[in-house]
Amino acid sequence: SQTIHQWPATLVQPVGSPLSLECTVEGTSNPNLYWYRQAAGRGLQLLFYSVGIGQISSEVPQNLSASRPQDRQFILSSKKLLLSDSGFYLCACRHLNTEAFFGQGTRLTVV
Amino acid sequence: AQSVAQPEDQVNVAEGNPLTVKCTYSVSGNPYLFWYVQYPNRGLQFLLKYITGDNLVKGSYGFEAEFNKSQTSFHLKKPSALVSDSALYFCAVRPRDNTDKLIFGTGTRLQVFP
Repeated sequence: SQTIHQWPATLVQPVGSPLSLECTVEGTSNPNLYWYRQAAGRGLQLLFYSVGIGQISSEVPQNLSASRPQDRQFILSSKKLLLSDSGFYLCACRHLNTEAFFGQGTRLTVV
Repeated sequence: AQSVAQPEDQVNVAEGNPLTVKCTYSVSGNPYLFWYVQYPNRGLQFLLKYITGDNLVKGSYGFEAEFNKSQTSFHLKKPSALVSDSALYFCAVRPRDNTDKLIFGTGTRLQVFP
């Protein structure tokens, strides 16, 4: 079965600093990968999704970028964080089965 | 635009009573339909899905959901609520196209009182 690792679990960063959140997947190959942001403990906003290495689709123009350097690695980045980037970031994976599986999330606080 | 609506921010129910969490969607074609649950500061856990066939699908922890094509709804139900069911519930759809997007509703907080 698929296992999704996200780290770190929590992160406090100053405004203007860079960001790198990593998501890795075990137990499957060639998965579809997703980054979501959840603000204020409610709705999920799809940020990026990827159907293969180097293939990134961006859903919402913003201060973030994503990369997929390896089949089971998905990275969310920013060059300069804004206060509005604070939130709970979730990585998800889907392969063969129609449902997606989620990591445990990273809570980012920009101060 | 494709969207998922969960009209209730919060649903309150007494333990032992039946519960319903509502979901409607606006997606062309016949999308895949899902329910997820989220406990505080955790990722989402998959509960159940509708792909095709019987309109009533059964999932984890005694939950079930009823698909209604004419009303484009996929309401989550449970015959007898538990206090431990208190959590945030998300409905999601994935269109049967090549975009591979998974679109979520805004979530409904379920509070089960003892």
